[in-house]
This record gives sequence, C-alpha cells and structure tokens, in this order.
Amino acid sequence: KAGVTQTPRYLIKTRGQQVTLSCSPISGHRSVSWYQQTPGQGLQFLFEYFSETQRNKGNFPGRFSGRQFSNSRSEMNVSTLELGDSALYLCASKDVQGLRNEQFFGPGTRLTVL
Amino acid sequence: GNSVTQMEGPVTLSEEAFLTINCTYTATGYPSLFWYVQYPGEGLQLLLKATKADDKGSNKGFEATYRKETTSFHLEKGSVQVSDSAVYFCALTFTGNQFYFGTGTSLTVIP
Repeated sequence: KAGVTQTPRYLIKTRGQQVTLSCSPISGHRSVSWYQQTPGQGLQFLFEYFSETQRNKGNFPGRFSGRQFSNSRSEMNVSTLELGDSALYLCASKDVQGLRNEQFFGPGTRLTVL
Repeated sequence: GNSVTQMEGPVTLSEEAFLTINCTYTATGYPSLFWYVQYPGEGLQLLLKATKADDKGSNKGFEATYRKETTSFHLEKGSVQVSDSAVYFCALTFTGNQFYFGTGTSLTVIP
C-alpha cells in the first residue's frame, strides 16, 4: 500500500494570505489527523477527521480549519497567515477497523510565511 | 491533563555507545505509549509501542518498557550506529485519534 501523501511539500506565502494543504491517507484509512511541528512548541495536535466530520480539535484559533472528503482525503486551510504559522504540517492516518492505536505519518508540508 | 516530558537534547554519542532517552508521562488513565523517529526532511515513523503496563516494545535494537509505577517509557539501545541519527519523539494516546507528543530529542551518532 502507498503511504500517506501530502502536497505540496514546500510552500512560501506572505502574511495575510491563506493556504490550503492536502493529505491523502493510506488506502482504507478513514481517520485523518493534522499536527503542527515547530522548533519551539514541538508537535501540536490540530484536529482529526473521520467520515467527513471533525471528531477532535486541538487548541488552535479559528484561522485553522479543515475538511475531509468522501474518499477520506483531507485538506487543511489556514487563513490570514501570520509569521508564527511557519511550521512543518504533518498529516497522519489511522485504520479505525483494527485494534491498533497507530497513526501513520506523511512527510509533511513545510510552510514558510514571510 | 495529558502530557509527555522527554529529556532535553541534543544528544551526541560515539558509534557503539549505549543510548538512553528518558520519557515520562502524565495521563488520566492508562494510555498506549509510543516512540516515533524522524529522519531529516521526513515525517514521523513508528519505532515501537507498548499498550499496557510492563509491556516491552522493541524494534531495530531499540527497546522501551511501559512502567506504570514510575509513569515512564525510556528508550534504550545497546549499541548505536551512525544511521540512528535522528529526532526521537515519545508519545501517548488513549484512542489513537489524538496523540500527545514530547518535544523530541535530537540524537547525533559520530563514527
């Protein structure tokens, strides 16, 4: 099976712009989670989607939003970008059918806000 | 709340040295515990896991034991290699839908 894929791998934006990141989970995985990774804060949970519904949400402002499509692919949107949004954004998928509590991570999208 | 605390890095070791990376957790209940590894420019890869007290996870020579009494899950390897150079993350989860990660420990192994 192909792994989790994320596009694009790199993005450069300026303050005030908005950005959309995409994640395709492993085939058959219906849960998709998003994380923000920064040197100062480490890995922080953004939100999790399952069956096109947001099931869990971390402590991020409303500028961060997401959605999931019927094929389980997910997008994350950040509006009104700030310098502090520069980070590696990681997507992870999970097989909810089994008993294994494992998430499989994609390579991430490196967002730089200038 | 739930949280994970890892030893501060960076850690620099010579090849074949013994590695320990400390990890302790705070949790309301009994989570599953994980170690993930991140190589430069890549996402996180699952290294090993343990789902209940006294379980030992192992993979590629790395080991960690779930210690409920000390709320710890320390990562060890008897003889590190240059290829082990990476950032290591300790994490916990209850449902697998939301993970709580430590801040990561950078390991550099020199020949």
